[in-house]
Amino acid sequence: GAGVSQSPSNKVTEKGKDVELRCDPISGHTALYWYRQSLGQGLEFLIYFQGNSAPDKSGLPSDRFSAERTGGSVSTLTIQRTQQEDSAVYLCASSSQLTGTDTQYFGPGTRLTVL
Amino acid sequence: GQNIDQPTEMTATEGAIVQINCTYQTSGFNGLFWYQQHAGEAPTFLSYNVLDGLEEKGRFSSFLSRSKGYSYLLLKELQMKDSASYLCAVRFLHTGFQKLVFGTGTRLLVSP
Repeated sequence: GAGVSQSPSNKVTEKGKDVELRCDPISGHTALYWYRQSLGQGLEFLIYFQGNSAPDKSGLPSDRFSAERTGGSVSTLTIQRTQQEDSAVYLCASSSQLTGTDTQYFGPGTRLTVL
Repeated sequence: GQNIDQPTEMTATEGAIVQINCTYQTSGFNGLFWYQQHAGEAPTFLSYNVLDGLEEKGRFSSFLSRSKGYSYLLLKELQMKDSASYLCAVRFLHTGFQKLVFGTGTRLLVSP
């Protein structure tokens, strides 16, 4: 695709429910990243995929968070038993490691609100 | 650990020049990025420096000094649309993989 897309753009859920956030990276980009941005905070790294494998999951805040990537393309971030502190904007980025700069390009994000 | 510092907020007037500084402490440094983020939108890539010196791209320039752990983003001929947050991000090698760490961003307000 022309850019990174994410869905849904907004998600409101009740505490304790599970949510799934989707990311569709730029076509051909092998690397995919998930970040979280809370109000007034910097981007917090969550997880990195190279192809379908996740060599770096060090940023996942708890075992309620998981992510997968299939076919080297679409990725899903799942948050189980959501808590109010999970409310944030979840951003996905992708990059092509064929270029020297390996610049990450971001999607529009999913704004998650946990009531 | 990795640490990135940038001012929280800056103000400037239309047509002026503003310099946004970023200092960092990191091991395995492998490049510094600047992103622009308008409120409610995704960060967009502005510039990349991996060697010392100045990179110019239109109204925007970015400078890097690796020995000082210092970078700045220079915006010339400011326009109202330049009001946004500017994120400094450092790439470093972590357990064999490239990783990007972001500063908290500098909110720039451009007034008429």
